[in-house]
Amino acid sequence: EPEVTQTPSHQVTQMGQEVILRCVPISNHLYFYWYRQILGQKVEFLVSFYNNEISEKSEIFDDQFSVERPDGSNFTLKIRSTKLEDSAMYFCASLLRDRGFEQYFGPGTRLTVT
Amino acid sequence: GEDVEQSLFLSVREGDSSVINCTYTDSSSTYLYWYKQEPGAGLQLLTYIFSNMDMKQDQRLTVLLNKKDKHLSLRIADTQTGDSAIYFCAEIPTGNQFYFGTGTSLTVIP
Repeated sequence: EPEVTQTPSHQVTQMGQEVILRCVPISNHLYFYWYRQILGQKVEFLVSFYNNEISEKSEIFDDQFSVERPDGSNFTLKIRSTKLEDSAMYFCASLLRDRGFEQYFGPGTRLTVT
Repeated sequence: GEDVEQSLFLSVREGDSSVINCTYTDSSSTYLYWYKQEPGAGLQLLTYIFSNMDMKQDQRLTVLLNKKDKHLSLRIADTQTGDSAIYFCAEIPTGNQFYFGTGTSLTVIP
């Protein structure tokens, strides 16, 4: 069964450093997403991406965040200057078609900012 | 933003039925979902229901939808220890952005 993969599974970084979280969505999917889950809290939407551009983003997704699909298979989330409050689990998801009913999630990357 | 609420904890004995409840705010959602998250793992889609349905059964899982009250429930029959996890309901009111509930932590007591 096709799956979304994410690397690394755990990333530790110092405050102020840049991090790049990587995702490989399912190959024929067209819509891509990043969510985050701060420990003990609900899963929150960050951004959606379609046709090589951001289609929606939340208030959380400020100028410190950016997304890219550099090579047609990877989908990355970059945090330019990490803050302590960026520590969370980050989930990537992909979807085949608009309003399709099954969004596939990756296993997540745990980001720890010290 | 949308508000999807769940009770935080549920504890049941192995073999009993579990009922996890969820309330949502946006009646325009076409699909409503239940996801399962095991410790340290990602989100696994369990089941979903179209908004024009009242009930959907899928093996041990039964989803009930009350659109008037904006209430969604997930019933797990014959709950097993492997069902211990956090269960999230989610809706997509517009676009493709999921709004997740707070999650219900289900503990199954042997």
